[in-house]
Amino acid sequence: KQEVTQIPAALSVPEGENLVLNCSFTDSAIYNLQWFRQDPGKGLTSLLLIQSSQREQTSGRLNASLDKSSGRSTLYIAASQPGDSATYLCAAQAAGNKLTFGGGTRVLVKP
Amino acid sequence: DADVTQTPRNRITKTGKRIMLECSQTKGHDRMYWYRQDPGLGLRLIYYSFDVKDINKGEISDGYSVSRQAQAKFSLSLESAIPNQTALYFCATSDPTTSPDEQFFGPGTRLTVL
Repeated sequence: KQEVTQIPAALSVPEGENLVLNCSFTDSAIYNLQWFRQDPGKGLTSLLLIQSSQREQTSGRLNASLDKSSGRSTLYIAASQPGDSATYLCAAQAAGNKLTFGGGTRVLVKP
Repeated sequence: DADVTQTPRNRITKTGKRIMLECSQTKGHDRMYWYRQDPGLGLRLIYYSFDVKDINKGEISDGYSVSRQAQAKFSLSLESAIPNQTALYFCATSDPTTSPDEQFFGPGTRLTVL
């Protein structure tokens, strides 16, 4: 059974620092790894999706890497801003399009 | 207009009541999903449907039932609500003909069972 873990559960950084969010998964037989952002009272916004054949994806200040052999993905957010404060979730997709989510990392960027 | 909508957005109910949460989508996707989110636990899959005639149990289906009324509508029912079903519920859709088969989420329904 796939298990996805995100450590730390919460993170606080001053504005301008780079953010590094970690995601680990136990079963490397995944189709893709997806990162989401969740704001309080709102749904999930997809940030980046890395297919199993890819090593990384980039969108603006966001970069996500995937290392299937070690069961790890990392989301980098460059030059953090207060508007980046949110909860970030990673999810591993397996056969049948089932997503297994991590518990999330709650990020606070202080002005 | 949002592609995936959920009603109601918030609901408070009492133990033993029957509750229905509704999900509608305008994306034309065949696949639909129901998840629940508890604090610190991420999202867990309750039920999923790959088309109108194909409904499957997910990881935590006990105490829940679903109905796929049409391609665009997927409802989740709690036959007799209990307090530990208090959670945030999300509906999602996906299109298996695209690659990757990405899931798109609704805004969520916050359910409180007293």
